Amino acid sequence: DAGVIQSPRHEVTEMGQEVTLRCKPISGHDYLFWYRQTMMRGLELLIYFNNNVPIDDSGMPEDRFSAKMPNASFSTLKIQPSEPRDSAVYFCASSEARSWNTEAFFGQGTRLTVV
Amino acid sequence: GDSVTQMEGPVTLSEEAFLTINCTYTATGYPSLFWYVQYPGEGLQLLLKATKADDKGSNKGFEATYRKETTSFHLEKGSVQVSDSAVYFCALSTPNQAGTALIFGKGTTLSVSS
Repeated sequence: DAGVIQSPRHEVTEMGQEVTLRCKPISGHDYLFWYRQTMMRGLELLIYFNNNVPIDDSGMPEDRFSAKMPNASFSTLKIQPSEPRDSAVYFCASSEARSWNTEAFFGQGTRLTVV
Repeated sequence: GDSVTQMEGPVTLSEEAFLTINCTYTATGYPSLFWYVQYPGEGLQLLLKATKADDKGSNKGFEATYRKETTSFHLEKGSVQVSDSAVYFCALSTPNQAGTALIFGKGTTLSVSS
């Protein structure tokens, strides 16, 4: 398997624009996680899905952020409108999560810069 | 809520020095504990894990022992190499009603010079 695939790797956009980040999890994994990494706050869990259903979105910072998982092989994280403080590296991860000792596999991340 | 606290970095060492990165946790349940490593420009990858008290996880010369009595999971390596330069994250997961998610510490940057 190619691992978790994220696109794009880098995104530069202007404030107010819509941004869509994409993720393809590892085939057969039931859980998908979106994390955000910044110097100030470290790695924060934004939302996660189980079998395409959002389970916990309490980490989503505000209504400008939304995430979907229309099928088992694709998820998106959308920011509309984007703001400079959204600049960060966004990671997608997936896991089998049969139990809580199962590791998560991470993509290479999308570095978002909002100017 | 559940949380992980790591020592502040950066940690700067010379090659072959001994490494310790401290990690303590707070959890309502009985967590599994993990160390992840992030090399420059890459995503996180699992380094080692431990799922119950007194378990020792090990990989690539790194070790960490699950200490329930001190709620700690310190990462150690006897002799670091330049190639170990990376950011190290301590993490935990606990079962809840709906599923599981990893909770990470803020990460510790390690820089090893030759």
